[in-house]
Amino acid sequence: DGGITQSPKYLFRKEGQNVTLSCEQNLNHDAMYWYRQDPGQGLRLIYYSQIVNDFQKGDIAEGYSVSREKKESFPLTVTSAQKNPTAFYLCASSRDRLAKNIQYFGAGTRLSVL
Amino acid sequence: AQKITQTQPGMFVQEKEAVTLDCTYDTSDQSYGLFWYKQPSSGEMIFLIYQGSYDEQNATEGRYSLNFQKARKSANLVISASQLGDSAMYFCAMREDTDYGNNRLAFGKGNQVVVIP
Repeated sequence: DGGITQSPKYLFRKEGQNVTLSCEQNLNHDAMYWYRQDPGQGLRLIYYSQIVNDFQKGDIAEGYSVSREKKESFPLTVTSAQKNPTAFYLCASSRDRLAKNIQYFGAGTRLSVL
Repeated sequence: AQKITQTQPGMFVQEKEAVTLDCTYDTSDQSYGLFWYKQPSSGEMIFLIYQGSYDEQNATEGRYSLNFQKARKSANLVISASQLGDSAMYFCAMREDTDYGNNRLAFGKGNQVVVIP
């Protein structure tokens, strides 16, 4: 099955702890994205990557870090510097340079602070 | 300034009826793309329909159609013959094509739809 897999589905973070959210895609998409969603809100872009070994900050990158060592994988680390990490995190990918450039999403990871 | 505005309160719609979800957008670009996504209670975002700013015809995908009024900067989603499985949040999003290479989307806050039997 082709798609985007996010894990874990639920994650709990202790104060001062870094946690990493996994995102893997087997769609052979070039570009990948991380979004944050707070209750009753739309999605806000954290980081995005158009090619391997390259990524750019989105609108709310502070307190987060990413890597893109493989085309299939784009993990997001929520660092201890992110003071309000409780949210729903969605990963997406798209096949760059197509006219519509539609982003397809994973099922999300819900992060809570203990 | 907010680029995508979705201000309708939660909506209840009778099964088999049509429902229209409002979306207005703000851009100075001539070239842009508009998207609608569905988010059921499970959380994943499901792509529904796309409209390019230069598309002369309104987009349709099965029971979904997009009522695109460029001069009014409006991109309303119409769901025909509602089904119980249509109960979800619906998000409108825009990509401005000065940003095409980055493919950054701006999302609205969503419209809640509940379909009742």
